[in-house]
Amino acid sequence: QQQVKQSPQSLIVQKGGISIINCAYENTAFDYFPWYQQFPGKGPALLIAIRPDVSEKKEGRFTISFNKSAKQFSLHIMDSQPGDSATYFCAASNTGNQFYFGTGTSLTVIP
Amino acid sequence: DAMVIQNPRYQVTQFGKPVTLSCSQTLNHNVMYWYQQKSSQAPKLLFHYYDKDFNNEADTPDNFQSRRPNTSFCFLDIRSPGLGDAAMYLCATSREKGYLEKLFFGSGTQLSVL
Repeated sequence: QQQVKQSPQSLIVQKGGISIINCAYENTAFDYFPWYQQFPGKGPALLIAIRPDVSEKKEGRFTISFNKSAKQFSLHIMDSQPGDSATYFCAASNTGNQFYFGTGTSLTVIP
Repeated sequence: DAMVIQNPRYQVTQFGKPVTLSCSQTLNHNVMYWYQQKSSQAPKLLFHYYDKDFNNEADTPDNFQSRRPNTSFCFLDIRSPGLGDAAMYLCATSREKGYLEKLFFGSGTQLSVL
């Protein structure tokens, strides 16, 4: 079964707008939640990550919000730019070293 | 500068004909992974090597095998590809084994089975 559920599958945002991608998980043993960004023809690359001891982490225009009680986390891209157009994967892992990925969100930022 | 290199970018094989995908890394990382990613699905871990120690996921079919002859190279062998094995195969590395480690991915090999 899908360990990490991601939505939406695709997202279109105007330049300068806010992009929001959501993920949910069930396994409370997960202890690390990274987001990966994948451009066409390239492999995924780590964008930002969070541990459950904080509710928010911000790096530049990218912010992860984490709700431990709801078992949900989300990626917010502020002031979205056409260069942000890519596929975004959320993931979760635990001490077993297994990363469980979401199904991905294809983001298109239109000028 | 490519750090995890996968060849070829596209691979076409015939049903039942063995195929090998390759991955090399210049990062000198201890851990190398193989993921299978089907269209609109999440990447799924097939197996990983920690140095020479091979770790197979419980649900990885026996049809899939891997070799790591040295630190830099890792191969994915599909002994008898079926139509259901058509997918993007991603190789990744991490410096050490641990759930906080950053994964470095290659660009992937898109496998088609005719």
